Amino acid sequence: GDSVTQMEGPVTLSEEAFLTINCTYTATGYPSLFWYVQYPGEGLQLLLKATKADDKGSNKGFEATYRKETTSFHLEKGSVQVSDSAVYFCALRDSWGKLQFGAGTQVVVTP
Amino acid sequence: GAVVSQHPSWVICKSGTSVKIECRSLDFQATTMFWYRQFPKQSLMLMATSNEGSKATYEQGVEKDKFLINHASLTLSTLTVTSAHPEDSSFYICSAIRLSLGNEQFFGPGTRLTVL
Repeated sequence: GDSVTQMEGPVTLSEEAFLTINCTYTATGYPSLFWYVQYPGEGLQLLLKATKADDKGSNKGFEATYRKETTSFHLEKGSVQVSDSAVYFCALRDSWGKLQFGAGTQVVVTP
Repeated sequence: GAVVSQHPSWVICKSGTSVKIECRSLDFQATTMFWYRQFPKQSLMLMATSNEGSKATYEQGVEKDKFLINHASLTLSTLTVTSAHPEDSSFYICSAIRLSLGNEQFFGPGTRLTVL
């Protein structure tokens, strides 16, 4: 079945550092890909998405490009802030319309 | 953006009792809602798909007699954990699909269930 694999955390960074969270997927067909963010004590929020190969999703300084050839959707941000501390989930939407999530990566940004 | 609420946000109950969790879409109608379970430091596991006016569809391995789902209106779905046991302690999250926003799922803040 479809699945998502993302790098384990926690990832600890200093403010203004570059962030990359790797995400790869296995799927039949061409799923839509998503990054969700979960801030402490809150529900998941959609961060960005891409619906087809070579699409780049971007929001709040975060970017991810849908790479069909490597089945990847890595999340990047050039300069993180303390407020970016959260858990980040990579997900795909399968042919049934259901979201399949990766295990989540906790990011801790220190001042 | 669309708002989805859950009530209660946390609940503690004794083993053997039943607990009902509500999921409401506050500013849109949702014909489809999802229920997820999240264990500490783990991913979300889809439990079931809740469709308004029809029976829920459960994922493999999820006991439908234990986790009762009712989607009685376009803005409300409920999850009832029957005869709860300590192993049912978890974080339960619902989401609702907003058709007018490209079928995007909007998530509730979650409900922390602790069974003593």
